[in-house]
Parts: sequence; structure tokens; C-alpha cells
Amino acid sequence: DVKVTQSSRYLVKRTGEKVFLECVQDMDHENMFWYRQDPGLGLRLIYFSYDVKMKEKGDIPEGYSVSREKKERFSLILESASTNQTSMYLCASRTTGTTEAFFGQGTRLTVV
Amino acid sequence: GDSVTQMEGPVTLSEEAFLTINCTYTATGYPSLFWYVQYPGEGLQLLLKATKADDKGSNKGFEATYRKETTSFHLEKGSVQVSDSAVYFCALSNDYKLSFGAGTTVTVRA
Repeated sequence: DVKVTQSSRYLVKRTGEKVFLECVQDMDHENMFWYRQDPGLGLRLIYFSYDVKMKEKGDIPEGYSVSREKKERFSLILESASTNQTSMYLCASRTTGTTEAFFGQGTRLTVV
Repeated sequence: GDSVTQMEGPVTLSEEAFLTINCTYTATGYPSLFWYVQYPGEGLQLLLKATKADDKGSNKGFEATYRKETTSFHLEKGSVQVSDSAVYFCALSNDYKLSFGAGTTVTVRA
């Protein structure tokens, strides 16, 4: 069974903290993605990576960075968390091309 | 850049009613198109896809046809069930990027 695992289901962090969200996939997929999901806004792409050590900005990269040192792991970093980054964060992976993307269960982050 | 616009919800239907969710897109080149579904309390999963113009994707009684001339990929189901209550997302894949619409919440009443 395919699996995309996000390290935490729920997180509460303080404003100004550096926050790491981890995502691991076990399917040897080249492409990995980070989205945030907010009511009425759907899924907005933050960053994606098409291969190890490669990264591209998505539609809303401000305030975020990413790291992909190994193929199976894609980390999202909030350099200095702010309350407007309170959201559900979703990680996804797929093989290059038009194939299905598989999603993790999501991390609900609250910044107080 | 690439973008997806889908019908705003929420949509409330009675069982056995006909469901249509509109989706249009803007993209360069020849994107692939998808519908994903998120059932309550679950993660997103692929419902159906189409990779080229005039392709029809189908699954679980849902269908969508890739219309290049109208840049659309509308989702339809002829007779919905309570178990179809979910959030539906239209998505587009171009090169390496995968972009989603805002989602449409569908509630089916018994």
C-alpha cells in the first residue's frame, strides 16, 4: 500500500518560532508537493520538488522554505511562524508526469 | 500562470438527484486534468483523470470529459447517494506543477 506520512497531525506553535513540517513517502516518487488548505480557498501550492535537491516556488511561497536532501523526504519550514500561517498543511507525492498524486493525512498547524 | 476555477458551493442535493460541478482551466500547452475527492475526516484521493483532449475519465459513477475548445472538465453523476457527500477538487497538471481549484462541498440528503 502506498504511503505518504506527515510527522504530526496537530501542532501548536508560538509566533516567531521556526517550524518544521516533515513528509516521507515510501513509493520512490520523484515529485513532492506542499499545499495549504483553507476554507473557501482550496489547496494552494506552496512549494514543489521534482527531484532530490530540486525545488520550485508554488503560488504562495512567501514565509516558507523547503528542503529535499533525500528522495523520500520533503520538509516544509516556516522561518518565523505567524498567525496567518495557521492552516491545514498537506503533502503529496507522485512519479513524474501525469500520474496520480498521493496525499498525506495533513498537519493542522495553529500559530498562537 | 496555470489556474483552475470551479463552481462555488456548497451544493445540497437529494438522493438520486443529478450532480454537475463545473470546472474551467487556464493553462499553456496540454495539461492533464483530474478530479480529487475528500470524504469527511479523510485525505484527498483521486476520483478520475483525463490526459488529453476528448478523453473521458470515469469512476464510481462519476464522469468528466476533457474539452479543450471550452477549456472545461465538468464533473457529473447521474444519481447521487448519501455516501457521495464530500469536497470535490478539480486539478490541473502541467510540467511538474499540480494546481487545484477552491473545492466544492457537496451534501446529499436521504
